[in-house]
Amino acid sequence: DIVMTQTPLSSPVTLGQPASISCRSSQSLVHSDGNTYLSWLQQRPGQPPRLLIYKISNRFSGVPDRFSGSGAGTDFTLKISRVEAEDVGVYYCMQATQFPITFGQGTRLEIE
Amino acid sequence: EVQLVESGGGLVQPGGSLRLSCAASGFAFSSYSMNWVRQAPGKGLEWVSFIGTITSTMSYADSVKGRFTISRDNAKNSLFLQMNSLRAEDTAVYYCASSLRGSAYWGQGTLVTVSS
Repeated sequence: DIVMTQTPLSSPVTLGQPASISCRSSQSLVHSDGNTYLSWLQQRPGQPPRLLIYKISNRFSGVPDRFSGSGAGTDFTLKISRVEAEDVGVYYCMQATQFPITFGQGTRLEIE
Repeated sequence: EVQLVESGGGLVQPGGSLRLSCAASGFAFSSYSMNWVRQAPGKGLEWVSFIGTITSTMSYADSVKGRFTISRDNAKNSLFLQMNSLRAEDTAVYYCASSLRGSAYWGQGTLVTVSS
């Protein structure tokens, strides 16, 4: 199984400041079809998960452009350019390149 | 508007069975692969099962293999998860989600509690 490791596990940030979450996979996420199936999800308190980014850097419909994804191979990053109050929650990276689909442990974003 | 609405959760005794349903609307359901993902209370996300657009393509997490069966009815825009031989560790909110490789929509979830 591919292990997804996120850092940090908790991230206190100041409103209006940037935030960054890293995700490392135990093996390359490049699929034989040439795509890299790495996504980022947001889960606000009491809510279901919501897709933010898919295939490393593609922002999902309705996702603000302050969210961006980057990376390649085994190392990936989610960046929030200016944190807003509504961004509080837990963020997960997820790989769907290979079964079983696996998730990172989650990073809790908190406002200082 | 895309909607995925899960139902069928509840309280069941260990060893019992439940059948979850997910009603899809607002997109071409038959053209999308579907998944079940669960989240135990206070824990992270765990993928459970996948079914392709062609129903012969299925995959399961080792933790549920042989006990859970995924299926779909494209004519009714519905996804199902038959859960047998339930254990306490199956207690979780179960989400259906479309196409986890791309533009994935998630439902609100249904709670399954396995307890005597």
